[in-house]
Amino acid sequence: AQTVTQSQPEMSVQEAETVTLSCTYDTSESDYYLFWYKQPPSRQMILVIRQEAYKQQNATENRFSVNFQKAAKSFSLKISDSQLGDAAMYFCAYRRDVYSGGGADGLTFGKGTHLIIQP
Amino acid sequence: EAQVTQNPRYLITVTGKKLTVTCSQNMNHEYMSWYRQDPGLGLRQIYYSMNVEVTDKGDVPEGYKVSRKEKRNFPLILESPSPNQTSLYFCASSLRPGGNYGYTFGSGTRLTVV
Repeated sequence: AQTVTQSQPEMSVQEAETVTLSCTYDTSESDYYLFWYKQPPSRQMILVIRQEAYKQQNATENRFSVNFQKAAKSFSLKISDSQLGDAAMYFCAYRRDVYSGGGADGLTFGKGTHLIIQP
Repeated sequence: EAQVTQNPRYLITVTGKKLTVTCSQNMNHEYMSWYRQDPGLGLRQIYYSMNVEVTDKGDVPEGYKVSRKEKRNFPLILESPSPNQTSLYFCASSLRPGGNYGYTFGSGTRLTVV
């Protein structure tokens, strides 16, 4: 079974600065997908960014980018120019490629990192 | 608007009283899933469905039932709720099973069992 670890329960950053959230995962599979989700106080789960394991290029979505290191099984999220609206819980998640490996499907989540933005 | 609709948003019930949390999506998604979120534990999958009439257990299925008779609906049933099922529940869907398809989540149901 896959596991996802977020080693930082809480992070704090000044508004307009850059912060990096860490995520590592454990898997024996070669094909899979990785995601970052944001959960603001409204509790809605919002997809931030996604990465295919077969792609070497790191995904970018506006101020959000990832550093995907497949060999190290690391998938960190960088938020540039932090804004007050970025304050939330952030969850890293792993999804198997059931089309190549078969078996159970679903997202495996880390326990989350609470991001605080200091004005 | 494309969305996953869960009801109710809040529910307080007593131990042993059967309840159903409804989930409906309007995006013609094949895949649907239920998660529970508990402090310090993240989100854990309860059940999922890869298509109509196809359901399977996730990581924490004990005490829950599901059905998928129609593509759009995926209700979560607690036949005899217990206090350890007090949690925040999310329904989610994706276009297809597996792959790069991210989930669309419902707004969550806060369940308290007393």
